[in-house]
Formats: sequence, C-alpha cells, structure tokens
Amino acid sequence: QKEVEQNSGPLSVPEGAIASLNCTYSDRGSQSFFWYRQYSGKSPELIMSIYSNGDKEDGRFTAQLNKASQYVSLLIRDSQPSDSATYLCAVKDGQNFVFGPGTRLSVLP
Amino acid sequence: EPEVTQTPSHQVTQMGQEVILRCVPISNHLYFYWYRQILGQKVEFLVSFYNNEISEKSEIFDDQFSVERPDGSNFTLKIRSTKLEDSAMYFCASRGTGTSVYEQYFGPGTRLTVT
Repeated sequence: QKEVEQNSGPLSVPEGAIASLNCTYSDRGSQSFFWYRQYSGKSPELIMSIYSNGDKEDGRFTAQLNKASQYVSLLIRDSQPSDSATYLCAVKDGQNFVFGPGTRLSVLP
Repeated sequence: EPEVTQTPSHQVTQMGQEVILRCVPISNHLYFYWYRQILGQKVEFLVSFYNNEISEKSEIFDDQFSVERPDGSNFTLKIRSTKLEDSAMYFCASRGTGTSVYEQYFGPGTRLTVT
C-alpha cells in the first residue's frame, strides 16, 4: 500500500507570515503530485500540481518537489486568515490518487 | 467555469437499504472517480472509471458497490445493503485531457448518513 504522510498539525502562523506544509511519499516511482485545500465540511479544491523537481510558483503559492528525497512541500506567502483550512497532499498512483491525511493550517489575525 | 455537480447533498438512509449517489462530471472530462471521506479521516479512493469501464478499484470497493454511466452526462455510485460504517462524505471527481490531464476536480460531495 503506497503511503503519503503529512503532519496533522495544527500549524499556526500569524497573518502575513509564510506557512510551510510538508509531505512525504513512499513510492520512489511517483511522478505527479498535487496540493488541495479543504475547508471544513467542503470538498477538496485543487491548488497546485507539480511534476518536475524544483519549484513551481502560482501567486502566493509555491510548490517544491524533491524526488530523490521523496518530498513535496507547499509554501504560502503572506498568509491570510482565509487560508485557514486543511491542506491535502496527493500523489498519482496509476489511475488512482493517494491522499495524505492533511495538515490543518490556522492563520491568526 | 465548468464544475462537477453531485446530488443529493445529503442522503439519510436506514441500514440495509440501497442508495444511489449521482454525479455530473465536467463535460469534456474522460476520467471519473469516487472517493469517500469518513468524518475526521483522510480522503480514500474507491474507484476510477474510463471509457465506460472501471479502470481501478480499491479494497473498499467490494461487491456492495457499483458504478455506472447510464448516459452521456451522469456517473452514479450505488451502495447496496448500506451499513452504519458507510456513513461518510462521498466525493465525485473528474479529470480531462491536454496539459492538465492529471488535475482532478471534485464535486461538492454527498453526505451519506446510515441510521
């Protein structure tokens, strides 16, 4: 069973700070990685996808991938209270997507 | 902007009954998924569907479950003889083709409560 691991949190950061969310995965052959945001009681919402080693930026979000270390992270710059949610890391596995348990982020005003 | 829709938003059923959860994926998408999320737990893959057949299914997706694409737009999940432990949020997702082929988009979910 392929595993995706995340710290459950909660991760608390002050408004305006950088939030750093981390994810590790067990399958060295994985090629496609995703970050989702899930507000309480809502469905996952795709934030970023990343397929190559290095950084990928989209607005305040930066995804970082290191396949050698089997590690993917998400940085949120200038964190806002509206960013408070659970962030899910997902890894594509064949036609399946394996989700981590999520990290709960709390941005304090 | 196109989106995945699901009905009903909340379904309450008695143990042993059958339920059908409905989804309308994004119109030009080709891959369809059902996921389950028990309250407070992680999103769990149930089944993927492509070209009118199941492409992968998890251990959770046993004979109690079935999926169907009865027409060109709907994608359904049937749960037979529901059990208390089937109570969860059920999410449908779809993904398309092109440069964003692996990016899945989720519907709002159906909350299933089995009493």
